Amino acid sequence: NAGVTQTPKFRILKIGQSMTLQCTQDMNHNYMYWYRQDPGMGLKLIYYSVGAGITDKGEVPNGYNVSRSTTEDFPLRLELAAPSQTSVYFCASSYSSVEQFFGPGTRLTVL
Amino acid sequence: ELKVEQNPLFLSMQEGKNYTIYCNYSTTSDRLYWYRQDPGKSLESLFVLLSNGAVKQEGRLMASLDTKARLSTLHITAAVHDLSATYFCAVVYTGNQFYFGTGTSLTVIP
Repeated sequence: NAGVTQTPKFRILKIGQSMTLQCTQDMNHNYMYWYRQDPGMGLKLIYYSVGAGITDKGEVPNGYNVSRSTTEDFPLRLELAAPSQTSVYFCASSYSSVEQFFGPGTRLTVL
Repeated sequence: ELKVEQNPLFLSMQEGKNYTIYCNYSTTSDRLYWYRQDPGKSLESLFVLLSNGAVKQEGRLMASLDTKARLSTLHITAAVHDLSATYFCAVVYTGNQFYFGTGTSLTVIP
């Protein structure tokens, strides 16, 4: 099992550009999550999904969109990148929201 | 406002010593998580505490949960250098809303 994989590992965007952060898990988990982690801080939940076709907002959803068309994939879309979205983004998955397994993260810089 | 507070934020301790990290949260929750993060790395799940009075131990780490006091502790016994990392607690509200503390950066000095 590869677990939770994220691409890309690093990305630099210009203000106003768009991009999609990819997240895939091969553990057949029903729950998936997107977090951001700013320097020296804990994680903040952006969006989560309890199954294919079902998504919900977390604590900091503004400026992001998600979709969940399959159990395995949970992409995060940034439409108009802003410097405030400079952060490390982690995807996680779990079975029925007990133990979470995290991906390696995507480090995003918006200039 | 929902808050999850950890203290201390920074902890420097000598090898062989014991210490406790505290996690306080502001609103009733029935699940609390502890994670470890090494510098530049992702998070590793340590413990999931599901009920009042729950206690879990793994090696030199022991976590407990008091839901009435809204308090969890992570106790470190006879610290070793390999335990140096940042430790986060997280609380779950309304089903799936995870709220993380700001973390405790632990450095174990030989």
